[in-house]
Amino acid sequence: GEDVEQSLFLSVREGDSSVINCTYTDSSSTYLYWYKQEPGAGLQLLTYIFSNMDMKQDQRLTVLLNKKDKHLSLRIADTQTGDSAIYFCAETTDSWGKFQFGAGTQVVVTP
Amino acid sequence: EAGVAQSPRYKIIEKRQSVAFWCNPISGHATLYWYQQILGQGPKLLIQFQNNGVVDDSQLPKDRFSAERLKGVDSTLKIQPAKLEDSAVYLCASSLESGTGGSPLHFGNGTRLTVT
Repeated sequence: GEDVEQSLFLSVREGDSSVINCTYTDSSSTYLYWYKQEPGAGLQLLTYIFSNMDMKQDQRLTVLLNKKDKHLSLRIADTQTGDSAIYFCAETTDSWGKFQFGAGTQVVVTP
Repeated sequence: EAGVAQSPRYKIIEKRQSVAFWCNPISGHATLYWYQQILGQGPKLLIQFQNNGVVDDSQLPKDRFSAERLKGVDSTLKIQPAKLEDSAVYLCASSLESGTGGSPLHFGNGTRLTVT
């Protein structure tokens, strides 16, 4: 089965906050990442968090990590139409930089 | 800095034909990855290079897929012969180094392959 799981779809109104959730199975994960993919483009790194942290904030983005429950979330404050995209959660565990991606959450921002 | 460059952007071929994709990573990035992304799914690793050596090719269908990174810089991925199920976006990514975990992947825009 999937090592990284995400909900498939999220609809949010412009100006509201979005919360995208991710769960992973490997307790030895070292870094966890959030990527954004817009249509026809590659994946763009948004932010990442080391496993010994529980929160990281970067402008409108807040990452929360619950290592005990193996749960990662990305909160986008004041969501804009330009935030409509697919968001991927990813984790690495081994020292060779092998990344495991979730299937992605499609976020649709409505006016 | 210039990003990861990939070409072509799109390719349409018939099944049983061959195709090649090219990738130039960010300058100085030692690690290069090829991923396959099927519509509606996350990227799946095909092969990972560290400089010009292969770190992981366990998910590469070696009967039809091959990849090389001869001088430790740019890389090519080839499919021969193509099957319908190879229709996907092929993403190249690079990172500064592996072994630290904190070197995030930087992706190119991908090559969208359609096999008819």
